[in-house]
Amino acid sequence: EVQLFESGGGLVQPGGSLRLSCAASGYIFNNYAMNWVRQAPGKGLEWVSVFNGGGGGPNYADSVRGRFTISRDNSRNTLYLQMNSLRVEDTAVYYCVKENLPGTTFEHWGQGTLVTVSS
Amino acid sequence: QSALTQPPSASGSPGQSVTISCTGTSSDVGGYNFVSWYQHHPGKAPKLMIYEVNTRPSGVPDRFSGSKSGNTAFLTVSGLQAEDEADYYCSSYGGRNNMIFGGGTKLTVL
Repeated sequence: EVQLFESGGGLVQPGGSLRLSCAASGYIFNNYAMNWVRQAPGKGLEWVSVFNGGGGGPNYADSVRGRFTISRDNSRNTLYLQMNSLRVEDTAVYYCVKENLPGTTFEHWGQGTLVTVSS
Repeated sequence: QSALTQPPSASGSPGQSVTISCTGTSSDVGGYNFVSWYQHHPGKAPKLMIYEVNTRPSGVPDRFSGSKSGNTAFLTVSGLQAEDEADYYCSSYGGRNNMIFGGGTKLTVL
C-alpha cells in the first residue's frame, strides 16, 4: 500500500523559512515523479513543484520559483520542500503527491501539512 | 498559466446524474488527453477518480465517468449517493512539465 506522510509544517513569520518532508513507502520511490500541491484556506488546489523520477530534474510554479527548492533523497524514500522568503499568501495545506508511472496524473496523495505564514 | 474554469457548485438528488465541466484552452485541456478528476472531502487527502480523460483507477465505482470535447472536459456522476458529496477538482497537463488545476466544484447531494 502506498503511503505518503508529510511533516514540517507550522507557524512562521513573513520572510522566514521552513522545510517540509514527505516520507514515502509501499513502492519503489526513485521510479516515480513526486510533487508538492497546496491548498490555501478557502481556495482550490495549486500545483507547486515537481521532482521527476529516473534522473529527471525539478520544475516550479511561477508563484514560488526562486523561493522554494524541491529535492529528494532516494536512499531515504523522502521528498523535501525548502521554502524561503515565505509570504502570507504561501499559507496553505501542502500535500505530497506521487504521480503514476507515465506521469499523466497525481495518483496518490498524503494527508497534508499546514503552513501558516503570519506575524 | 491560468487555472481551469469549473462551476463553483453543482447539485442533484440521490439517484440522479450530475455533470461537472472543466474548461481550459488548446494549450492544456484541448492539447493533451491528460485530464484528471479528484474527489476531496475537507480534511482528507484528495482521491483520484478519473485520469487520462476517461480512465477509472481500480476501486472507483463505474458511476463516475469522464469525457472531453475540445477545450472542455466533463465529469459525470450517475446514481448519486450521499457519500459523493464533496469538492471535485479537475487537472490537466499544461505543457513545460507543469500541471494546472481547476478552481473546484462543490457537489451537494440534496
